[in-house]
Amino acid sequence: DSGVTQTPKHLITATGQRVTLRCSPRSGDLSVYWYQQSLDQGLQFLIQYYNGEERAKGNILERFSAQQFPDLHSELNLSSLELGDSALYFCASSVRAGGRTEAFFGQGTRLTVV
Amino acid sequence: DAKTTQPNSMESNEEEPVHLPCNHSTISGTDYIHWYRQLPSQGPEYVIHGLTSNVNNRMASLAIAEDRKSSTLILHRATLRDAAVYYCILRPPYSGNTPLVFGKGTRLSVIA
Repeated sequence: DSGVTQTPKHLITATGQRVTLRCSPRSGDLSVYWYQQSLDQGLQFLIQYYNGEERAKGNILERFSAQQFPDLHSELNLSSLELGDSALYFCASSVRAGGRTEAFFGQGTRLTVV
Repeated sequence: DAKTTQPNSMESNEEEPVHLPCNHSTISGTDYIHWYRQLPSQGPEYVIHGLTSNVNNRMASLAIAEDRKSSTLILHRATLRDAAVYYCILRPPYSGNTPLVFGKGTRLSVIA
């Protein structure tokens, strides 16, 4: 158990809908990262937050948005869903934003768009 | 961004040591070398990280070349559970635009 909690574990929704994925970081971790992994694909970095502020952005679609709240949990919002958005979404957390500390990953949310 | 080069795949026999190489010739003097792995159907898992000196933990050892242009992840005794994709990643030390970006990694197969 990494200490990073992602909910829900599974989500099935229709095209055009909007969903929210939630991530609770490990206690004391200030940085949160979001990733997308499509079937048999690599881990695509989406976005990183540190203590409530956006710190780095990857290939995140405009239909996707995220935020980190004062209690440090984070949410990834996916809207106007398409079939191609079906993927595993992982969240990770670390104490700091840089490389001095390691990151720990949740078990992911499997999103299926039908 | 400093890049890493890893073999696409490697194979090992169970209970034998495994040396997973990573080249990072453009590493900066302050980049940390991180290793993560992803087992099938699971989230990535932190393995080890270091800066200049060799590092050991319960999972593995990290050997860093003196010039820091390469490193090797050592699994001392491979088990079937070690079959995974292993990622070598360079990260600057401080906060700022320092995303944790994964490349293609090395797919390790362990043969019983």
